[in-house]
Amino acid sequence: QKEVEQNSGPLSVPEGAIASLNCTYSDRVSQSFFWYRQYSGKSPELIMSIYSNGDKEDGRFTAQLNKASQYVSLLIRDSQPSDSATYLCAGDQTGANNLFFGTGTRLTVIP
Amino acid sequence: EAGVAQSPRYKIIEKRQSVAFWCNPISGHATLYWYQQILGQGPKLLIQFQNNGVVDDSQLPKDRFSAERLKGVDSTLKIQPAKLEDSAVYLCASSLSPSSYTDTQYFGPGTRLTVL
Repeated sequence: QKEVEQNSGPLSVPEGAIASLNCTYSDRVSQSFFWYRQYSGKSPELIMSIYSNGDKEDGRFTAQLNKASQYVSLLIRDSQPSDSATYLCAGDQTGANNLFFGTGTRLTVIP
Repeated sequence: EAGVAQSPRYKIIEKRQSVAFWCNPISGHATLYWYQQILGQGPKLLIQFQNNGVVDDSQLPKDRFSAERLKGVDSTLKIQPAKLEDSAVYLCASSLSPSSYTDTQYFGPGTRLTVL
């Protein structure tokens, strides 16, 4: 099993809908999880981080973490065409401050 | 606050040639990372520095890749000789301190390498 796994997509949602992005992780990944957004040809930018079980909301974004199931997700409410990008899930390696990244899910929001 | 700077932005070389990339982290950031991102994949850590010491280079192909961070600030990543499979974007990132697992990594714009 890879350390962090994501469905590569692509995922298409209509404008205004909720986009749901999912990620699972292995035992090599510890307690910190990050969602990065990467526009085509650009570098990743952090949009959410989550460390505790449960939900964390920031504007239209909600991150959910379930450590028992080794599952982390990102919900984007009221999706906008500007949300169209690849979303990378990352988790920190147990005992170290470096990250394992998933392969990313490409999201397209259709106007 | 200035972000992570990288140069060059693009580089095209032939296989077996050598190439070097440069990174200047955010001022005051102790930790610097080099990642390789192959098209369609997530970034893969190559090497992590804390100040001018190497913390993790377990995924660095040491027969052809080398990196240094002189004086704990700027860093260079070198490939010699390059192979076709080295075609990728090389991302540099920095974080303030590795002491907390909550530390955020900030990425530079990357260098897109094409090996012909």
